Amino acid sequence: SQQGEEDPQALSIQEGENATMNCSYKTSINNLQWYRQNSGRGLVHLILIRSNEREKHSGRLRVTLDTSKKSSSLLITASRAADTASYFCATVLDSNYQLIWGAGTKLIIKP
Amino acid sequence: EPEVTQTPSHQVTQMGQEVILRCVPISNHLYFYWYRQILGQKVEFLVSFYNNEISEKSEIFDDQFSVERPDGSNFTLKIRSTKLEDSAMYFCASGYSSYNEQFFGPGTRLTVL
Repeated sequence: SQQGEEDPQALSIQEGENATMNCSYKTSINNLQWYRQNSGRGLVHLILIRSNEREKHSGRLRVTLDTSKKSSSLLITASRAADTASYFCATVLDSNYQLIWGAGTKLIIKP
Repeated sequence: EPEVTQTPSHQVTQMGQEVILRCVPISNHLYFYWYRQILGQKVEFLVSFYNNEISEKSEIFDDQFSVERPDGSNFTLKIRSTKLEDSAMYFCASGYSSYNEQFFGPGTRLTVL
């Protein structure tokens, strides 16, 4: 079964608008992490939120975690063309250290 | 800022050949990982390594795969006899502790012909 699932699969918005991506997971986690991947490139860590945290901010990024609903959201405010990328959530369980990945949301920011 | 590096960036090999993918993790990190991403698919965990031994591995990481930390800086992934389905982007990652963020290298694109 799949642990992390993002929605939407693809999102296209105008520059300056806010972008919200969601992630759902199935089993209890130690933490949840969001990563960005530019086309064909490496994975860049954005933010980590632990199971006892509800919200975290980093610059224009805001992540929320609802453990009762087993879901997280990533909000990018005032989007820029450079934010165009795929965004992945990945969970770490209490029982091991590996990242379990969702399929990602492809975000396109139109100038 | 320290970063994870990987070499080569692209490796082309014939089916049945052995390949070694190399990684230099961030120097004070203690946990090392390999992941792969087949084109258009999810990132998949392969193996984690801590204290000079494998701590976890996935079903993908069968007897054809091995990892090594031959010295204090390199971390390698060996595929003994490559198959067509091994074609993927292979990412190395490292982290200072087990439940913190993992830092990824730029990846090695492996193409098996």
